[in-house]
Amino acid sequence: ELKVEQNPLFLSMQEGKNYTIYCNYSTTSDRLYWYRQDPGKSLESLFVLLSNGAVKQEGRLMASLDTKARLSTLHITAAVHDLSATYFCAVDTPAGGTSYGKLTFGQGTILTVHP
Amino acid sequence: DTEVTQTPKHLVMGMTNKKSLKCEQHMGHRAMYWYKQKAKKPPELMFVYSYEKLSINESVPSRFSPECPNSSLLNLHLHALQPEDSALYLCASSRRQGDTEAFFGQGTRLTVV
Repeated sequence: ELKVEQNPLFLSMQEGKNYTIYCNYSTTSDRLYWYRQDPGKSLESLFVLLSNGAVKQEGRLMASLDTKARLSTLHITAAVHDLSATYFCAVDTPAGGTSYGKLTFGQGTILTVHP
Repeated sequence: DTEVTQTPKHLVMGMTNKKSLKCEQHMGHRAMYWYKQKAKKPPELMFVYSYEKLSINESVPSRFSPECPNSSLLNLHLHALQPEDSALYLCASSRRQGDTEAFFGQGTRLTVV
């Protein structure tokens, strides 16, 4: 059974600081997603990482994927209050040896950015 | 139009009620998904439909009954639910099953009393 583990689960940051969220997963996959979720809201897609060594950046967020280590990171640079949200990584695995489409999510990291 | 529309936004139902959740998209997507998200937990996949056929059922109890009457519409029929089924139910769609770009609806917040 695929396990996807994020850490930390809770992250309290000061504005302007940098930090990294880690996502480890237990089975081979070359498809990893990062999502953001605001309280009571739906999921917003942030990044799709599709190969070993993939790196994507959008604003103050940068995500990377190491498929050999089964590790993805989400790096936050110079945090601002607007980044406060819950961040999920999710791994996509083939279902029954056929197509993809079975997302397994990590537990989520609740990020709070303080002034 | 890149929207996935879910109705209703909120639903309160008794344990003996029958209700349905609706999800609609007009992007021509042929894969649609139901997820369940309990409070402070990650989403969990329930069902996947591909070309209107059930492709994945994650061992969901039979009190949840999905239906895909056409390529734009996905329903989730609810019957004899328990209070522990209270959750946010999210629908998503993608062009094909497993496509890397999926669009999520805003969800239906379900409370079972």
